[in-house]
Amino acid sequence: AQKVTQAQTEISVVEKEDVTLDCVYETRDTTYYLFWYKQPPSGELVFLIRRNSFDEQNEISGRYSWNFQKSTSSFNFTITASQVVDSAVYFCALRMTSGSRLTFGEGTQLTVNP
Amino acid sequence: GAVVSQHPSRVICKSGTSVKIECRSLDFQATTMFWYRQFPKQSLMLMATSNEGSKATYEQGVEKDKFLINHASLTLSTLTVTSAHPEDSSFYICSARAISLNEQFFGPGTRLTVL
Repeated sequence: AQKVTQAQTEISVVEKEDVTLDCVYETRDTTYYLFWYKQPPSGELVFLIRRNSFDEQNEISGRYSWNFQKSTSSFNFTITASQVVDSAVYFCALRMTSGSRLTFGEGTQLTVNP
Repeated sequence: GAVVSQHPSRVICKSGTSVKIECRSLDFQATTMFWYRQFPKQSLMLMATSNEGSKATYEQGVEKDKFLINHASLTLSTLTVTSAHPEDSSFYICSARAISLNEQFFGPGTRLTVL
């Protein structure tokens, strides 16, 4: 069975602060993909990143960075210098390499206040 | 590329009526489409997986006779909520998996309100 846990239900920060969203996963599969999606108030899911379990290199994309630690089964997401437009619900998800079914975490509501 | 559309984006209906939601892959062929339901402040829950030309596979606890799914072509899947009740009010999201791409692409969602 697969499980994704996002322990932080809600986070509130002030603009320009850095914020890290935690994601811990469970799977018996040796190969898998991890994802982060952003869901703004409009509801549409915005794809942010996909990471293969073979690749433990951290990734940076602008103000976004991801820390994949296979030893602790974590795939944390950091937003640097947060902005009001970053306010959204963020979902972490897991999928087997050979499968197509996505398992989502419960989501973290991020509110960035001006 | 890889755009998925849903229609309608928002629908309000009376209790007891049926509502059809369309999910289309606009610029790719999708062998598999997925239907999710999301209640307020909750995560996405997979309802069913449909493969073109075959019957959908429903998740445990999802009534197949209530949520009819048809995937008649490689670019279109429909979800029909039959005899809708207020508890069916939710945000319904589809995703499509391309034949050539090992990835799912999500539609913008349909907000259903049953009065």
